[in-house]
Amino acid sequence: AQKVTQAQTEISVVEKEDVTLDCVYETRDTTYYLFWYKQPPSGELVFLIRRNSFDEQNEISGRYSWNFQKSTSSFNFTITASQVVDSAVYFCALNRNAGNMLTFGGGTRLMVKP
Amino acid sequence: DSGVTQTPKHLITATGQRVTLRCSPRSGDLSVYWYQQSLDQGLQFLIHYYNGEERAKGNILERFSAQQFPDLHSELNLSSLELGDSALYFCASGRPITGPGRGNEQFFGPGTRLTVL
Repeated sequence: AQKVTQAQTEISVVEKEDVTLDCVYETRDTTYYLFWYKQPPSGELVFLIRRNSFDEQNEISGRYSWNFQKSTSSFNFTITASQVVDSAVYFCALNRNAGNMLTFGGGTRLMVKP
Repeated sequence: DSGVTQTPKHLITATGQRVTLRCSPRSGDLSVYWYQQSLDQGLQFLIHYYNGEERAKGNILERFSAQQFPDLHSELNLSSLELGDSALYFCASGRPITGPGRGNEQFFGPGTRLTVL
């Protein structure tokens, strides 16, 4: 069985602070993909990044960075210099090799205060 | 804009009723996935169709059914609605990821918010 755990249900920071959202996953598959999605207050799910299990390189995109560590089954997401517009619910998800459906974590609600 | 369309955006109905949610995938995508987002269950996979055929089922109730038509649009039918069916229903359009493994990349529509009174 697959499982994605986002232990932080809510995080509140002040603008310009850095914040890290944790994601831990469980899977028996040897090949898989990990994703992060953002859900702003408007409700849509916005794709942020995917990472395959073969590639443990960290990735940076502007103020966003992702740290994938296969040894600890974690795929953490850091926002540097947070902004009010970053306020949203963030979901980590796992796409198993064969089944193709996404298994989502419970989400982390990030509130960035001015 | 993901390129996935869902109608209607909002739906308010009464218990016991039946509704149909519609999804049109991105051009060229053969897969359609349905997910339910509720307060108590989170985001859950319901069902996956590929080119008209059912490929996988998740936690989908027997009162719910889906199909994908030859033009690749999909409909999710919810019947004998209960208060607990109130949720945001997402459709995602999928295509294979190029690279090792056989995962799918999924792009989500804006969702249909269903309220059962």
